[in-house]
Amino acid sequence: DAEITQSPRHKITETGRQVTLACHQTWNHNNMFWYRQDLGHGLRLIHYSYGVHDTNKGEVSDGYSVSRSNTEDLPLTLESAASSQTSVYFCASSETGIGYTFGSGTRLTVV
Amino acid sequence: GEDVEQSLFLSVREGDSSVINCTYTDSSSTYLYWYKQEPGAGLQLLTYIFSNMDMKQDQRLTVLLNKKDKHLSLRIADTQTGDSAIYFCAESWNSGNTPLVFGKGTRLSVIA
Repeated sequence: DAEITQSPRHKITETGRQVTLACHQTWNHNNMFWYRQDLGHGLRLIHYSYGVHDTNKGEVSDGYSVSRSNTEDLPLTLESAASSQTSVYFCASSETGIGYTFGSGTRLTVV
Repeated sequence: GEDVEQSLFLSVREGDSSVINCTYTDSSSTYLYWYKQEPGAGLQLLTYIFSNMDMKQDQRLTVLLNKKDKHLSLRIADTQTGDSAIYFCAESWNSGNTPLVFGKGTRLSVIA
């Protein structure tokens, strides 16, 4: 069955380190999205991609980057992790008219 | 810009109906969604409605849309303890083809 998987599920890192969160989908969806979830803020859009080599900034993109080298993967990189980036991160994929499928999330703690 | 507002908390007794409300600002929103998030879990799509519909019913769930007032509601009939979760309202103007914009979520607590 097609699925969308995020790894790792939990990550603890130190301030200043580079961190990459993985998102892999086997739906063959063109569109992929990264959100962060924080108490009192709901889900906020970080970056998104409409296809290979396409990336776009979302509402809270500062300090994050993404690259899309194939259809299946959209890794999210924190260039220099900060405590303010402690959050739960969700990846989603979609296709026109089909809707959105979410991963199970990655809980990131920056100490 | 786009904005989606929800009340943060709702408490109901088991067996009663729950009504979770949402307002949105983008008049071009074409698709409106309700997602459920249980503790420690991801987001589960509950239901969605197109903007040309006023109501959609799916078993215990009823979605009402007032497009004039940009108001969306989710009614859960015969609320059970398993319905305790955070419920997110979300909107997009092109289903699957643009990012979802989420409300902050309503935490529903069901009292036995």
